[in-house]
Amino acid sequence: GAVVSQHPSRVICKSGTSVKIECRSLDFQATTMFWYRQFPKKSLMLMATSNEGSKATYEQGVEKDKFLINHASLTLSTLTVTSAHPEDSSFYICSASREGTTDYGYTFGSGTRLTVV
Amino acid sequence: RKEVEQDPGPFNVPEGATVAFNCTYSNSASQSFFWYRQDCRKEPKLLMSVYSSGNEDGRFTAQLNRASQYISLLIRDSKLSDSATYLCAVKYEYKLSFGAGTTVTVRA
Repeated sequence: GAVVSQHPSRVICKSGTSVKIECRSLDFQATTMFWYRQFPKKSLMLMATSNEGSKATYEQGVEKDKFLINHASLTLSTLTVTSAHPEDSSFYICSASREGTTDYGYTFGSGTRLTVV
Repeated sequence: RKEVEQDPGPFNVPEGATVAFNCTYSNSASQSFFWYRQDCRKEPKLLMSVYSSGNEDGRFTAQLNRASQYISLLIRDSKLSDSATYLCAVKYEYKLSFGAGTTVTVRA
């Protein structure tokens, strides 16, 4: 089955530093990957859609210069939270779309819990 | 209006009970519908897709009502292990939008 690996699972960083989160599709090629953020007891909010080899498409209200997304290959997308602040503390989850499959929803990575202190 | 809305619950039910809850969506052009299960501090996992004619997977039954723009999930013979947050998800084009989840707690 489709497996998406996300690292790190948990990170604590100091305010002002940058954090990179990786999302890999292990057994399929993901032409499209999605990045979500989830605050406690809230729904997953789509931040951006990344397509291999092109610029990411950001949702309204998401700062593209703060949340840098790179999708350099068909199996890897990265999200970098730049100059992180405590309000960026959240659960970040990636998901991937498997090209050519029928629609069974998307496969999620295990998520990254970011705490900015 | 939110794209996808759910009753947050919690629904506290005894083992063996039946519990059901709905999810409404605002975009009438939505194409696909899903129920995900999310355990505390974990990623969502696909529980089942929801088809127009309704579908069943073991103790779980999902229904779609396009006219009223809602989907439902029914859990029969609840188990302790069914305790989780259930997220509905609605897809339009490539985007999957989620509700905030309905929390179900099954007690012994």
